[in-house]
Amino acid sequence: SYVLTQPPSASVAPGQTARISCGGSNIGDKEIHWYQQKAGQAPVLVVYDDTNRPSGIPERFSGSNSGNTATLTINRVEAGDEADYFCQVWDSGSRHVVFGGGTKLTVL
Amino acid sequence: EVQLVESGGGLVQPGGNRRLACEVSGFTFGSYWMYWVRQAPGQGLVWVSRISRDGNIADYADSVRGRFTMSRDNAKNTLYLQMGSLRVEDTAVYYCARARNVVTTILSHWGQGTLVTVTS
Repeated sequence: SYVLTQPPSASVAPGQTARISCGGSNIGDKEIHWYQQKAGQAPVLVVYDDTNRPSGIPERFSGSNSGNTATLTINRVEAGDEADYFCQVWDSGSRHVVFGGGTKLTVL
Repeated sequence: EVQLVESGGGLVQPGGNRRLACEVSGFTFGSYWMYWVRQAPGQGLVWVSRISRDGNIADYADSVRGRFTMSRDNAKNTLYLQMGSLRVEDTAVYYCARARNVVTTILSHWGQGTLVTVTS
């Protein structure tokens, strides 16, 4: 079935820009969604359909998707952005929801 | 306010059964596809199953197909996951989640999860 690959970790200084990648075969042909999960909490949707933000999510969060890589970008990173981030797609061929392995973002 | 509250977690022996429930409020339950997602301790999110609005269609991850059954009672605003032939590797926090709108696979609302521990 379809596989999404994320780097296990990333780090960024406060105020800088974090970019978290999610790789998959022709992922640009799919709609990708991103979730933030802080320690001990349930996941929260932060970007859907590649580039859209749910209400209440800061404009600092944005997404892009093309070719074999999708990217979640967090501008002006804050300490409160420290969390695990997961990408997700729907694989219509297998009728499976697929999550990436997650990236732990550390704010230095 | 949309709320999803899972229950039914606990300790269970390998080979045993367990039924999880997810009671929802704040929206018209029967209008949305629903999902179960699990997370083993210290690990990532793994999709388990999903069910259609009327309960007639259910899809399952390969790892649970034939052992788990997802169902719903729209009159009771409750989602269920019947787990059987449980294995140690089924140990996880189980989250229920709601689709963002009528026909998407975007999980916009999540419960807080219930922990299932499979151990002898």
